[in-house]
Amino acid sequence: AQSVTQLDSHVSVSEGTPVLLRCNYSSSYSPSLFWYVQHPNKGLQLLLKYTSAATLVKGINGFEAEFKKSETSFHLTKPSAHMSDAAEYFCVVRPQGTGANNLFFGTGTRLTVIP
Amino acid sequence: DAGVTQSPTHLIKTRGQQVTLRCSPISGHKSVSWYQQVLGQGPQFIFQYYEKEERGRGNFPDRFSARQFPNYSSELNVNALLLGDSALYLCASSLEGSSGYNEQFFGPGTRLTVL
Repeated sequence: AQSVTQLDSHVSVSEGTPVLLRCNYSSSYSPSLFWYVQHPNKGLQLLLKYTSAATLVKGINGFEAEFKKSETSFHLTKPSAHMSDAAEYFCVVRPQGTGANNLFFGTGTRLTVIP
Repeated sequence: DAGVTQSPTHLIKTRGQQVTLRCSPISGHKSVSWYQQVLGQGPQFIFQYYEKEERGRGNFPDRFSARQFPNYSSELNVNALLLGDSALYLCASSLEGSSGYNEQFFGPGTRLTVL
């Protein structure tokens, strides 16, 4: 079985302060993990992906995530929040070894950035 | 370049009716996946089609069906609509079906409301 758990449904930070969005995964196989962002009235956009290469993954817009197998975690971070980062963020797992290209999404974390 | 397009953008139906949603993938992409996103939740995988054949199916009832055409566009059909089918329906396209990871590019979605 494969799933992701996003530990916070809502995170609020001040502009210029660090962002931490937490995600734990469960997968029977070595998984591929992703973070997607969804801005209002826009399509889902891939922020970054982990596919068993380097455990520290850098994405777009200054975001990065670290794959920690011992903790089954894949937390998303950014050193300094910007107003444009306000959006819904989804942690996603794709189990390897399956035939289909289906993704399993977490329930999402809404990030609010306070001016 | 055009991204993934979906039509219509919004749709209102009543219980028991049938609905067809349409998706055009990015040019050159041969795989299309459908997801259902209920308000306040992450997207859930419904179907994946690759080269006009079903590659994967999520945990959805037989009221949901889909097909892919020779030009790789796709339709999602839902019969006997229920109130619980109200959701944002997302289409995603990717280059290939399952070899390695092929990034999925999402469309803006079709908002279905069932009254």
